[in-house]
Amino acid sequence: GAVVSQHPSWVICKSGTSVKIECRSLDFQATTMFWYRQFPKQSLMLMATSNEGSKATYEQGVEKDKFLINHASLTLSTLTVTSAHPEDSSFYICSAKPISGTSGRADTQYFGPGTRLTVL
Amino acid sequence: EDQVTQSPEALRLQEGESSSLNCSYTVSGLRGLFWYRQDPGKGPEFLFTLYSAGEEKEKERLKATLTKKESFLHITAPKPEDSATYLCAVQGGLNYGGSQGNLIFGKGTKLSVKP
Repeated sequence: GAVVSQHPSWVICKSGTSVKIECRSLDFQATTMFWYRQFPKQSLMLMATSNEGSKATYEQGVEKDKFLINHASLTLSTLTVTSAHPEDSSFYICSAKPISGTSGRADTQYFGPGTRLTVL
Repeated sequence: EDQVTQSPEALRLQEGESSSLNCSYTVSGLRGLFWYRQDPGKGPEFLFTLYSAGEEKEKERLKATLTKKESFLHITAPKPEDSATYLCAVQGGLNYGGSQGNLIFGKGTKLSVKP
């Protein structure tokens, strides 16, 4: 139980283009989802907290206009990297916290498999 | 400032050689300490949650313990398939970082188990 999927698993794009990454909770509902990025040999860094039906909360230093987050339903959040540049190349991982009464523990973040973004 | 420090950074074991991974933390009002396993190129996989000092959790060859300052992940008679990076994360008080008690991750311990 408590499975999270991400799509795509990897993407290569040209500098200046936009890329959308989807995060879905497959067997539970989540009012809160999280977006992280991870550089090689580094820890997960929280970028933003996505709340269903409301605006995302961004961590300090994360550009809201560059990393657009939409949480349109209780099972889907999307991250759009706008006007991507090579420095945006990274491993992006989402997580979701189950609503009480659904699959998984309500106090635990369950992670997706990640999306490897490479910007040329 | 709330912090999580994991040691060692890397650990090489022979199959069957038991050992422990350490996670030291400083946090205002611990709400939970989480252990995850991460394989290369994959997202973290949930292992355990610990809430208070003295608590222990077990799963197969893994056992997690918690004190007021640190947590240990004990690996008994490891197998090659236990090779992965083990991440520790803490959830602090509601006001941390302006967000609602979000997770603070350590850098992880990369475990390699040789057959």
